[in-house]
Amino acid sequence: ILNVEQSPQSLHVQEGDSTNFTCSFPSSNFYALHWYRWETAKSPEALFVMTLNGDEKKKGRISATLNTKEGYSYLYIKGSQPEDSATYLCAFSDSNYQLIWGAGTKLIIKP
Amino acid sequence: NAGVTQTPKFQVLKTGQSMTLQCAQDMNHNSMYWYRQDPGMGLRLIYYSASEGTTDKGEVPNGYNVSRLNKREFSLRLESAAPSQTSVYFCASRYWWSSGNTGELFFGEGSRLTVL
Repeated sequence: ILNVEQSPQSLHVQEGDSTNFTCSFPSSNFYALHWYRWETAKSPEALFVMTLNGDEKKKGRISATLNTKEGYSYLYIKGSQPEDSATYLCAFSDSNYQLIWGAGTKLIIKP
Repeated sequence: NAGVTQTPKFQVLKTGQSMTLQCAQDMNHNSMYWYRQDPGMGLRLIYYSASEGTTDKGEVPNGYNVSRLNKREFSLRLESAAPSQTSVYFCASRYWWSSGNTGELFFGEGSRLTVL
């Protein structure tokens, strides 16, 4: 059974601080790793889709890295703002192309 | 741009009742999905439709049926609702191509279903 683990489950961060969290996934049959941001009462929205080992992607203050050999990805948020409060989801795709989802990291930014 | 629209947003059912969740996308995507989201768990795939005219079971299909009505619409039906089907349901779509698929998913806003 393929398993995707996200840690921590939840995180309280002071406004202005930087933070990061982890997505662990199977290292075999890797095809892609997705990150989504899900704000309360809204739809999950894609942040990044990563496919290559060593890949780094950036969108504003948010960036992600990928290590397919050891099966992990980090999401970094620099200088957290209240609008960053959300649940961050990652999903692993193997060669069958279906996505296996982690349970998410809930990020709460304290003003 | 509407994106992915699903209805209803909220529904309360009694055990044994039936209902259909509707989903429509206006992005010309060929692939559509139904997920359920339960506390402490990742999104779990119920059914998907890789292209118009095809549907396939996902991880948790029992108790559900789907119809891919046309390229835009993909409905999820609960024939005889059970309390275990209390959940938040998400419809999603993306463009799928046969040589591989790294396309991001576009989600609807979710439908919160309670079965008493």
